[in-house]
Amino acid sequence: GENVEQHPSTLSVQEGDSAVIKCTYSDSASNYFPWYKQELGKRPQLIIDIRSNVGEKKDQRIAVTLNKTAKHFSLHITETQPEDSAVYFCAASTTSGTYKYIFGTGTRLKVLA
Amino acid sequence: ETGVTQSPTHLIKTRGQQVTLRCSSQSGHNTVSWYQQALGQGPQFIFQYYREEENGRGNFPPRFSGLQFPNYSSELNVNALELDDSALYLCASSLDGVGAEYFGPGTRLTVL
Repeated sequence: GENVEQHPSTLSVQEGDSAVIKCTYSDSASNYFPWYKQELGKRPQLIIDIRSNVGEKKDQRIAVTLNKTAKHFSLHITETQPEDSAVYFCAASTTSGTYKYIFGTGTRLKVLA
Repeated sequence: ETGVTQSPTHLIKTRGQQVTLRCSSQSGHNTVSWYQQALGQGPQFIFQYYREEENGRGNFPPRFSGLQFPNYSSELNVNALELDDSALYLCASSLDGVGAEYFGPGTRLTVL
């Protein structure tokens, strides 16, 4: 069945460094790719998203890139801060035909002060 | 703007019982999706409701069922509870089921 692979499962960076999290999806019909940040005990919060007709999107320190050919998308966080520490999830969804929304397994990011 | 709300916050049930979880969508949103999140895992898509109809379903058995009401709020019903059903149940709302979904705080279900 369809799945989304996410790497790495844990990531530690020094404050101020960049962090990159990568996801690969299997369903070629996927057309929407959000990223969520989940702090301990809290709900997932949407931080950035990208649609299949766009290759890159940036919002301040956060950017997402999409390679449709490779079925690969990545989250880039620059100038990391301790408050960026959380679990990050990628997801892929298709809105053509039956709706499906598949999450990756998550990346625990630790930003060391 | 009112965010997504869920009730109850926590729930303890025993194996074999039935449970109903509730979700109110964000104002202006007409679509609700339900997810199961086990500890340390990503959310698993259960199903989505759009205009009171099921619009997609993940790999969950029929004992997981749902409803959406004319005001776009939604219920998740789970029959014949099993120990493995213990998880955080999240709902998320969106407009027309396309694009950004916004999550509620979740209901923590424990099955003993």
